[in-house]
Amino acid sequence: QKEVEQDPGPLSVPEGAIVSLNCTYSNSAFQYFMWYRQYSRKGPELLMYTYSSGNKEDGRFTAQVDKSSKYISLFIRDSQPSDSATYLCAMRGAAGNKLTFGGGTRVLVKP
Amino acid sequence: GAVVSQHPSWVICKSGTSVKIECRSLDFQATTMFWYRQFPKQSLMLMATSNEGSKATYEQGVEKDKFLINHASLTLSTLTVTSAHPEDSSFYICSAPLDKQETQYFGPGTRLLVL
Repeated sequence: QKEVEQDPGPLSVPEGAIVSLNCTYSNSAFQYFMWYRQYSRKGPELLMYTYSSGNKEDGRFTAQVDKSSKYISLFIRDSQPSDSATYLCAMRGAAGNKLTFGGGTRVLVKP
Repeated sequence: GAVVSQHPSWVICKSGTSVKIECRSLDFQATTMFWYRQFPKQSLMLMATSNEGSKATYEQGVEKDKFLINHASLTLSTLTVTSAHPEDSSFYICSAPLDKQETQYFGPGTRLLVL
């Protein structure tokens, strides 16, 4: 079993819909949680960063962390075709900088 | 956010040659940088941690003599793929954390094709 599980998709939604992404993890030591967006043939771009449990909102993006369930989510409101990309969750513990990634979910927003 | 650059963005080389990839932090200093490899439709696989002024730390299964890492300054780390073979063809990405921050910023990646 992988440390971080993420549905590979693809997840296809119509423009304007809410995109819901999630990851589950097994390591209770993870405390820092990130979501990255990666377009084809590009490096990952940091979208959201959350420490410990709770919600964080930034524009159309909302990140949620539930440490008791070892479950994190990313919601994208009013999705646009430009949101079509692969979304990677990543997390790490308190010590060190090494990240553990999920496998990525491919999202396709259709106009 | 912080900016990390990579050079070259893509490279094609013949089998048996060596290829050097540079990773630079443009607006901050990075004592640590990370090198990843990504195959098509797969997630990032950490290859090694590059430490300024000391030896790199390699992940299990990554040949240190094959993938030479040098972190000579606080803004530059290099990855050299020695005696490249077609199976080394991949997308190589570096990242660096801002000092005392918990997130990492990624470079745009280098696509390597070994013929």
